[in-house]
Amino acid sequence: AQRVTQPEKLLSVFKGAPVELKCNYSYSGSPELFWYVQYSRQRLQLLLRHISRESIKGFTADLNKGETSFHLKKPFAQEEDSAMYYCALPGPPGGGNKLTFGTGTQLKVEL
Amino acid sequence: ETGVTQTPRHLVMGMTNKKSLKCEQHLGHNAMYWYKQSAKKPLELMFVYSLEERVENNSVPSRFSPECPNSSHLFLHLHTLQPEDSALYLCASSRLAGRQPQHFGDGTRLSIL
Repeated sequence: AQRVTQPEKLLSVFKGAPVELKCNYSYSGSPELFWYVQYSRQRLQLLLRHISRESIKGFTADLNKGETSFHLKKPFAQEEDSAMYYCALPGPPGGGNKLTFGTGTQLKVEL
Repeated sequence: ETGVTQTPRHLVMGMTNKKSLKCEQHLGHNAMYWYKQSAKKPLELMFVYSLEERVENNSVPSRFSPECPNSSHLFLHLHTLQPEDSALYLCASSRLAGRQPQHFGDGTRLSIL
């Protein structure tokens, strides 16, 4: 069965420090992963997807199939990055395109 | 209005009431989802509709009854709920082709008295 693990419930960093939000997955086949973000009082929204290989708001994530990881990174944290971050794994084709979410990591960027 | 819209934003109901949550998407998507988000618990997928047909029901109690009359609208009918059903209920939609990301609404904050 597919599974997404985010080991940290809370990650607190200082402004300007590097950030790494961990995500590990379990999936048989070729995975595609997403990172979603939920800012305070805003809706859950897509931050980035590994297939795009792009940087959004300074964040990047590399799929490491050997380590089955998809960690989210940013070299210099900003106060506005404080939010809840969820790693998500789509299911196999068919079955309604469902997502399996991790439990989320609350990122707090302190001044 | 574009995107995924959920109404009402807040709902307080007694355990014997019957109410419905509504979700509407203006993105041309053909799959829709209901999630439950409780404090200190991960997002729980409740129902998946693909082309207006229910394709998944994750062991959700029968007091929750979904309805998808067309690809743009999704309802969650509520009947004789329990206090532990108090949560944020999120609706999402996506395209079906490939592994497409889901777009979420703001949610309905439900409180059961």
